[in-house]
Amino acid sequence: AQKITQTQPGMFVQEKEAVTLDCTYDTSDPSYGLFWYKQPSSGEMIFLIYQGSYDQQNATEGRYSLNFQKARKSANLVISASQLGDSAMYFCAMREGGSGGSNYKLTFGKGTLLTVNP
Amino acid sequence: KAGVTQTPRYLIKTRGQQVTLSCSPISGHRSVSWYQQTPGQGLQFLFEYFSETQRNKGNFPGRFSGRQFSNSRSEMNVSTLELGDSALYLCASSLGLAGPPWFFGPGTRLTVL
Repeated sequence: AQKITQTQPGMFVQEKEAVTLDCTYDTSDPSYGLFWYKQPSSGEMIFLIYQGSYDQQNATEGRYSLNFQKARKSANLVISASQLGDSAMYFCAMREGGSGGSNYKLTFGKGTLLTVNP
Repeated sequence: KAGVTQTPRYLIKTRGQQVTLSCSPISGHRSVSWYQQTPGQGLQFLFEYFSETQRNKGNFPGRFSGRQFSNSRSEMNVSTLELGDSALYLCASSLGLAGPPWFFGPGTRLTVL
């Protein structure tokens, strides 16, 4: 089974509107972290936001917020007031393994290509 | 603060050759991870180094190897290159072994002919 599932290969949004990018995950580890990265056409992975499994509140970073629903195992990214520069590939990723664990690698989803239209 | 740097940015090699990629983490970061990105397989974890020791390794053949130096800089080596090794190789650094977060470099795009 895939550990990270992003069901939207592509999304379109109008400039200044909000958009939600879906991400579901699968883990039996009680301690994990969820990340969102943006990858423009240049290739660099840009860190956007992080949510720890024990965090009580949803993470927010400027126009980005993470809608964390632990029981549903979902970690959707919400981008408010989309800008043309938001057009990029977006990846959801998970880090499993809490303190004492050794498996700290990131497992990525397949990504969602977001296009912001003027 | 300078970000993660990777050199070279682009490489063209032929089958059977070997290649070495370099990654300099953000100052103060001690953990360096490597990932391979291809259109077919997506992003896949190669290995992670912390304090000059390989802490974790992905499912890649032994042709892929790496090391970390005392200044936390890391190198990745691929020997006997195959066409399927053509990919974007991304390096990420973090303060500690568990992140978060990991900050990525711009990547090295390797083309194997």
